[in-house]
Amino acid sequence: GESVGLHLPTLSVQEGDNSIINCAYSNSASDYFIWYKQESGKGPQFIIDIRSNMDKRQGQRVTVLLNKTVKHLSLQIAATQPGDSAVYFCAENTRASGSRLTFGEGTQLTVNP
Amino acid sequence: DTGVSQNPRHKITKRGQNVTFRCDPISEHNRLYWYRQTLGQGPEFLTYFQNEAQLEKSRLLSDRFSAERPKGSFSTLEIQRTEQGDSAMYLCANTQGSTTNEKLFFGSGTQLSVL
Repeated sequence: GESVGLHLPTLSVQEGDNSIINCAYSNSASDYFIWYKQESGKGPQFIIDIRSNMDKRQGQRVTVLLNKTVKHLSLQIAATQPGDSAVYFCAENTRASGSRLTFGEGTQLTVNP
Repeated sequence: DTGVSQNPRHKITKRGQNVTFRCDPISEHNRLYWYRQTLGQGPEFLTYFQNEAQLEKSRLLSDRFSAERPKGSFSTLEIQRTEQGDSAMYLCANTQGSTTNEKLFFGSGTQLSVL
């Protein structure tokens, strides 16, 4: 079936480095993508989103890249800080699925001081 | 703080008991969603409301589960005759508009443990 998944379950980086978290999706009809950050004991927190008519979008210290040809999504975090340590989920939506967001399994990002 | 409030934060119950969770969304956001999340997994969609109307339900929502949103404001999720497999984090989320492709704002969830 259609799914959204992540390449790596864990990522460990040094403070100040840039982080890249990847996500592969299989539904070619997906037209909206979101990255969420989830800290322990909390709900997912919106980071950044991108629609399928774009291939790049930037926020504060974060950039999302979308490659529709290979159905790949990535989240880049610049100058990673200890507070960025969390689980990161990509999620996708299609108009055919109504309002449901489909989430991947998550990547645990650990930032070492 | 997203403005979505859920309570209780934690609930421990014995198998076979009924439990009810409450979600108080951002007041002006008219779509409300319930998701379930187990350890190490992403949230899974359960159901959603447009104002007071329940418009979609996942196959995950067995007949032991019922959700309501009277008056289109707060929502409750009830699980009857709980089973150990119901142990999970139950998340409520809100979105502002009435179209698809919108970001969800999540509450902190209710962690349910069924013994």
